[in-house]
Amino acid sequence: DGGITQSPKYLFRKEGQNVTLSCEQNLNHDAMYWYRQDPGQGLRLIYYSQIVNDFQKGDIAEGYSVSREKKESFPLTVTSAQKNPTAFYLCASGIPGGDTQYFGPGTRLTVL
Amino acid sequence: AQSVTQLDSQVPVFEEAPVELRCNYSSSVSVYLFWYVQYPNQGLQLLLKYLSGSTLVESINGFEAEFNKSQTSFHLRKPSVHISDTAEYFCAVRRPGGGYQKVTFGTGTKLQVIP
Repeated sequence: DGGITQSPKYLFRKEGQNVTLSCEQNLNHDAMYWYRQDPGQGLRLIYYSQIVNDFQKGDIAEGYSVSREKKESFPLTVTSAQKNPTAFYLCASGIPGGDTQYFGPGTRLTVL
Repeated sequence: AQSVTQLDSQVPVFEEAPVELRCNYSSSVSVYLFWYVQYPNQGLQLLLKYLSGSTLVESINGFEAEFNKSQTSFHLRKPSVHISDTAEYFCAVRRPGGGYQKVTFGTGTKLQVIP
């Protein structure tokens, strides 16, 4: 079964701690994306990667970091510099130039 | 620049009644248009898309949307809703060839189907 997996589904962390969210896809897609979703605000792009070993900042990259060492994996680290990290995080993938984007089930991060 | 406006944040509707979720966009160039559905605590699933050709597009579960260039709209409709349609719906726009990093999402409309 092809798809995108995100783990964990729920994550709790103390303020000031870095935390890494996992995103794995077996769709053989070159491009991967991280979005943040807050109530009433839709989705906002954090980082994206069009190819292995390359990634670009999105609209709200401050306080986040990513890596893309493997085609199938695109982990997101929420650092202590992110002022308001509590949110629902969605990972997505697609074929560059394609017309359909595929989303993972999301990780809900709560910082206490 | 492009933008998407979903005028209604919440739409309550009785089961088996028709529904329309409104989406208007703004863009200086031609666009691709999408509707996604999100069930609670889940990711987004593509419901339907308009790329070119026929302005009326349909999904497999009875939803349809019509691209209206003159009114810059892409409203989503269903003639008879079911309880299982309760979810949040997002309209999105992207220019052809722009890549997904250029997708702009609306703020979402929560559809609540009342038994």
